[in-house]
Amino acid sequence: AQSVAQPEDQVNVAEGNPLTVKCTYSVSGNPYLFWYVQYPNRGLQFLLKYITGDNLVKGSYGFEAEFNKSQTSFHLKKPSALVSDSALYFCAVIALGGFKTIFGAGTRLFVKA
Amino acid sequence: GAVVSQHPSWVICKSGTSVKIECRSLDFQATTMFWYRQFPKQSLMLMATSNEGSKATYEQGVEKDKFLINHASLTLSTLTVTSAHPEDSSFYICSAGGSGGTYEQYFGPGTRLTVT
Repeated sequence: AQSVAQPEDQVNVAEGNPLTVKCTYSVSGNPYLFWYVQYPNRGLQFLLKYITGDNLVKGSYGFEAEFNKSQTSFHLKKPSALVSDSALYFCAVIALGGFKTIFGAGTRLFVKA
Repeated sequence: GAVVSQHPSWVICKSGTSVKIECRSLDFQATTMFWYRQFPKQSLMLMATSNEGSKATYEQGVEKDKFLINHASLTLSTLTVTSAHPEDSSFYICSAGGSGGTYEQYFGPGTRLTVT
């Protein structure tokens, strides 16, 4: 069965510091991996995805994520956090040949000024 | 980017009544839309996959007679919560699948349903 794990309920970072939001997955076959962000009182927004190709993918708002097949991870990163990055972040996966998107539990990111 | 709207953004209804939530793709055609339910501080739970012109596919444990889904056009899907009860109070979110095999989804802003 497909699953996504986000081991941290919350991540606290000081503004200007690098941030990492962790995600690991379990699927049969090759995964399609995604990160979405949910700001308060707003819908989820697509940040970035890995389908194939370069393991390091760049997305919106300066975020990037690295696909690591051996560790089955897809951690979200940003070199310098902004207060405005504070939001709820969801990792998601679709198994190759599948159709449904499976979401992780979400990680709340707090960036302190 | 693709825009998905939902209406209403919030609704309060009395127990036993029905509520309809609309989900529209504003600038693209969506043959498939998804309906999710999100509980406080929890992830999205897929309720059903809505396919234009055919019956929706419901996830295990979701009552199809209670949560009626209609996808009558390529830009509109509706979710009707019938005979609502307080335990149906939740945040309902729709999304439309990306076109051209891109796989990412575009989400509506959500509808907060409160049943009193």
